[in-house]
Amino acid sequence: DTAVSQTPKYLVTQMGNDKSIKCEQNLGHDTMYWYKQDSKKFLKIMFSYNNKELIINETVPNRFSPKSPDKAHLNLHINSLELGDSAVYFCASSQAITGTSGGTEGDTQYFGPGTRLTVL
Amino acid sequence: AQTVTQSQPEMSVQEAETVTLSCTYDTSENNYYLFWYKQPPSRQMILVIRQEAYKQQNATENRFSVNFQKAAKSFSLKISDSQLGDTAMYFCAFHDYKLSFGAGTTVTVRA
Repeated sequence: DTAVSQTPKYLVTQMGNDKSIKCEQNLGHDTMYWYKQDSKKFLKIMFSYNNKELIINETVPNRFSPKSPDKAHLNLHINSLELGDSAVYFCASSQAITGTSGGTEGDTQYFGPGTRLTVL
Repeated sequence: AQTVTQSQPEMSVQEAETVTLSCTYDTSENNYYLFWYKQPPSRQMILVIRQEAYKQQNATENRFSVNFQKAAKSFSLKISDSQLGDTAMYFCAFHDYKLSFGAGTTVTVRA
């Protein structure tokens, strides 16, 4: 059973285009995240949503817009793609906001398989 | 701002032997969480182990264990009885209000 899924797994597009990456989790979690992993494998958080509400926005260019239609979905839309946007994008989810579960492990983040975005 | 440092870019270990990965972090917080994640060539991020800072006992998950030294802000991962399937990149991560990752250590298990 897929817990956190992302579509597409690979995305190749031209500079200047607009694209979306979809994320769905079937774990019943309340919190979802987007991370970016660059070519040096450095992983950094971009956004976090809890119950469809934005709680973390890590100084990401406003060309990136997350959208959470419901608790199970968190999509990432990117406008005017640039070469530097090429990366692997990971979605993750946790039952609670990490750090608030009182040690019950309900706040552990589970990651999707990643989407490799290549901008030409 | 918190930082996570993994000082070993690459490590190699013989199958069935033990390898220890180092991780240090910088924070002024007292309550926080620490994690080790594994990323095999498939690119999937897999949780290996977690540790709450208020717990003195070191976490253990099967062949994986940590040495958590709060005063030294150190959180090393020991992989015992290494298996070929352990070959992966290992990331140390620190969390207070967000999850911050180290640069990763690539572990290669040799047959």
